[in-house]
Amino acid sequence: GAVVSQHPSWVICKSGTSVKIECRSLDFQATTMFWYRQFPKQSLMLMATSNEGSKATYEQGVEKDKFLINHASLTLSTLTVTSAHPEDSSFYICSAREAASSYEQYFGPGTRLTVT
Amino acid sequence: AQKITQTQPGMFVQEKEAVTLDCTYDTSDQSYGLFWYKQPSSGEMIFLIYQGSYDEQNATEGRYSLNFQKARKSANLVISASQLGDSAMYFCAMIVRDNYGQNFVFGPGTRLSVLP
Repeated sequence: GAVVSQHPSWVICKSGTSVKIECRSLDFQATTMFWYRQFPKQSLMLMATSNEGSKATYEQGVEKDKFLINHASLTLSTLTVTSAHPEDSSFYICSAREAASSYEQYFGPGTRLTVT
Repeated sequence: AQKITQTQPGMFVQEKEAVTLDCTYDTSDQSYGLFWYKQPSSGEMIFLIYQGSYDEQNATEGRYSLNFQKARKSANLVISASQLGDSAMYFCAMIVRDNYGQNFVFGPGTRLSVLP
C-alpha cells in the first residue's frame, strides 16, 4: 500500500529558532500534499494544501510567513516553522494524495514538535 | 460550510460486543465522501472505511461497517466484535470534491475504550 513518511518523528527546539519537517511519499507520486496540526485531545485542523510546483494554499488563520510549505517534487513536501514559539508546540501530520481524481489521502505518522 | 459532528466524546464497550460511533455531517454539496479514521496513542491516522455520497450500499470493511443515512446526513461507524486493540480515537471526516479536492474536514473525534 501507499506509504508516507515524516521526518523527524519528534523534535525539540528553542524558542526563536526554525525547524523543518519533511513529508515523503515513498512508493507513489503525490500530486497534492496536505499539512495538518493537532493539539492534544483535539481533532486535526487542515493548515494548508500544496500542489507540486505551485504555491501552497493556506487555510484561514494560518500564517503563511510562519509556516513555510515547499512542495518541490512529487514525493517531497516540507513544512518549516519559522521563529518557533511555545504555542507552536503541536503534533503535525502530513498526508498525500496520488491523483487529483482520487479521494483517498495517505497519512504520515506525524511529527511531535515541542518548543521550549 | 462543511461541518462534521461527533456527539460522543468517549465511549466504552465490552470486548467482543458491537459498538456504534455516531457521525453527522453538514454540507450543501451533492458530491462528497465520508471517511472514518482510527488514531491510536502512537498518533498515526489509520484509514478504516469510505462511503461516497452516491454509493447506494453501505460500505463494509471487515469488522467495520458504515451506516449511511443520506437523508439524515449521518454516517455512523459500526465496529463488530470489539477487540482490545480497537481502543483509540476515532475521527469521522468528509471531503468535498472540487477542482482541487480540498475541504477535507475532521470531526472532533470519539475516544473508544474496549473493556476486557
